[in-house]
Amino acid sequence: EVQLVESGGGLVHPGGSLRLSCAASGFNFRTFGMSWVRQAPGKGLEWVSVISGSGENRYYSESVKGRLTISRDNAKNTVHLEMSNVRAEDTAVYYCAKTGGYCIGTTCYNPLDVWGKGTTVTVSS
Amino acid sequence: AIRIVQSPSSLSTSPGDRVTITCRASQDVSSYLAWYQQRPGKAPNLLIYAASSLQSGVPSRFSGSGSGTEFTLTINFLQSEDFATYYCQQYHTFPLSFGGGTILQIK
Repeated sequence: EVQLVESGGGLVHPGGSLRLSCAASGFNFRTFGMSWVRQAPGKGLEWVSVISGSGENRYYSESVKGRLTISRDNAKNTVHLEMSNVRAEDTAVYYCAKTGGYCIGTTCYNPLDVWGKGTTVTVSS
Repeated sequence: AIRIVQSPSSLSTSPGDRVTITCRASQDVSSYLAWYQQRPGKAPNLLIYAASSLQSGVPSRFSGSGSGTEFTLTINFLQSEDFATYYCQQYHTFPLSFGGGTILQIK
């Protein structure tokens, strides 16, 4: 069974740091990109970051660029999100999601096909 | 960044009804659009990818259409478990982006 389990959430003071982790199982981890998506209380989904299967390519939303860093350890089937200089607006449930690879003819599509249950980050003094 | 406008933001409807949700992208995303369902307190679940391809295990009453900048999700014969929030997402260009969501409520 394909499974993603996030951990590391909690209460952090503004300006502080936190490291989120996502443990993956049930698929060939190193061949798939992994994303983080967050959801502030009562709000919609916001994509945060993605890292390619090899770890060579990383992209971020403008709202987190320079403060949040995505990384992965393919030996441990784990993806991380390092959060630094956090702000109140970073308060959210953080979901880890696997990028799928669905090819129709010669075109491949990469939606977020498996999601973890999320871990909650609260930024407050 | 590509902006996605999703409408309506909420919809009151009844079991057995047919509903249509629309997403409009600010730029051409070809068919790189997905639809997700999110029930309260749960993670999102992929319904449709490539604008119109049904994800494995998703009931056939769900369907997607469109390409370029305009897309629709249609749910035929609404079941009680379909009352949830729906999001579209483009994955054509980074940064990836979601629509604002549509809450389906029981009338």
